Amino acid sequence: ETGVTQTPRHLVMGMTNKKSLKCEQHLGHNAMYWYKQSAKKPLELMFVYNFKEQTENNSVPSRFSPECPNSSHLFLHLHTLQPEDSALYLCASSPSGLAGYTGELFFGEGSRLTVL
Amino acid sequence: EDQVTQSPEALRLQEGESSSLNCSYTVSGLRGLFWYRQDPGKGPEFLFTLYSAGEEKEKERLKATLTKKESFLHITAPKPEDSATYLCAVDGAGSYQLTFGKGTKLSVIP
Repeated sequence: ETGVTQTPRHLVMGMTNKKSLKCEQHLGHNAMYWYKQSAKKPLELMFVYNFKEQTENNSVPSRFSPECPNSSHLFLHLHTLQPEDSALYLCASSPSGLAGYTGELFFGEGSRLTVL
Repeated sequence: EDQVTQSPEALRLQEGESSSLNCSYTVSGLRGLFWYRQDPGKGPEFLFTLYSAGEEKEKERLKATLTKKESFLHITAPKPEDSATYLCAVDGAGSYQLTFGKGTKLSVIP
């Protein structure tokens, strides 16, 4: 299996829908991340989890709700999104996010989200 | 606040035409500088980590170098399969997260 797997790869949703993105890592890492990638913009960090505990929330609107049940799985629950939330959502993992040092990130292939 | 600027925004090369991509950065206490490759519709793929000025790393046709203010990704005799967007990121002691540049989109024409 590939290191970091994301599902679904593509998602189209209306503004009133509720959906979830799933991420699973098979690398034995302790830190997991959600990033947002929009055209012409740098990658934007959304959330960080270390050992299942959320350590960073980068001022993300509450319509995005993360969940990390264990060190291998990460979810991003979506509800009442706006068209400007359309983007590629990337999950990543790293060996450890302790002491604030990220190290190399290993990314999944992303979930392309379109909000109508 | 850490900052990363990549140039050029886009680069078009003929197959075999060597060139360099630039990543200029400002950071308080560099803990690491990272290069990634991203193919269309896919997540970034890790290439290199550089930790201190003067360090160099190589992988196939790619060579990354680091100074106190910038990093270069040198591409020697590129092939069409090297076409991708190359991202640079820094991890600074004063920040809790990686700071990414916008990337350089490289196109290698046969």
